[in-house]
Amino acid sequence: DAGVTQSPTHLIKTRGQQVTLRCSPKSGHDTVSWYQQALGQGPQFIFQYYEEEERQRGNFPDRFSGHQFPNYSSELNVNALLLGDSALYLCASSLRETSGFYEQYFGPGTRLTVT
Amino acid sequence: AQSVSQHNHHVILSEAASLELGCNYSYGGTVNLFWYVQYPGQHLQLLLKYFSGDPLVKGIKGFEAEFIKSKFSFNLRKPSVQWSDTAEYFCAVNSHGSSNTGKLIFGQGTTLQVKP
Repeated sequence: DAGVTQSPTHLIKTRGQQVTLRCSPKSGHDTVSWYQQALGQGPQFIFQYYEEEERQRGNFPDRFSGHQFPNYSSELNVNALLLGDSALYLCASSLRETSGFYEQYFGPGTRLTVT
Repeated sequence: AQSVSQHNHHVILSEAASLELGCNYSYGGTVNLFWYVQYPGQHLQLLLKYFSGDPLVKGIKGFEAEFIKSKFSFNLRKPSVQWSDTAEYFCAVNSHGSSNTGKLIFGQGTTLQVKP
């Protein structure tokens, strides 16, 4: 049973560029959440996708956008990169439950460095 | 705004010592509570979780946590740590609500270093 996978593992970009990160959820999961983890900090929620729509968004600017595909995989796009966007970007997948509880499984992350 | 506070940022213990990591959250409603662990070079893994019932929950690798609602706390404990427990530990909260989508709010983490 494949867990959550993310690509690429590492990425180096220049300020002002755009980047796309990818995530494949754990088999059987239909919901994908994205988190940003700055060095020495806990993960911060960016947004969550379910049924190909953004369901909730954290306190991140519009430069951060995403997409979910019919196979439940997801992309995170960041435009106009800033030095402060350097972080580990985590994808977490879950199965939407009617009870409202979501256990999330995390991928290994993509380390983005902006120079 | 909801927040999670982990009081110990860096803890150093010798093997066989007992561990307790503090976690407090601010949210007045019903919550789900989690402890995640991140071993060096590995991804976040769930140690244990609480949603309802017995406030003392047991997780993997001998860890347990106690939910004290009156104190808004969910402290992590282990009676005897091992060198392999060296890792970063994160407390997280997921609040219930009409728009609950499973958003997790994390504390800033506690680095545990166990000396052999």
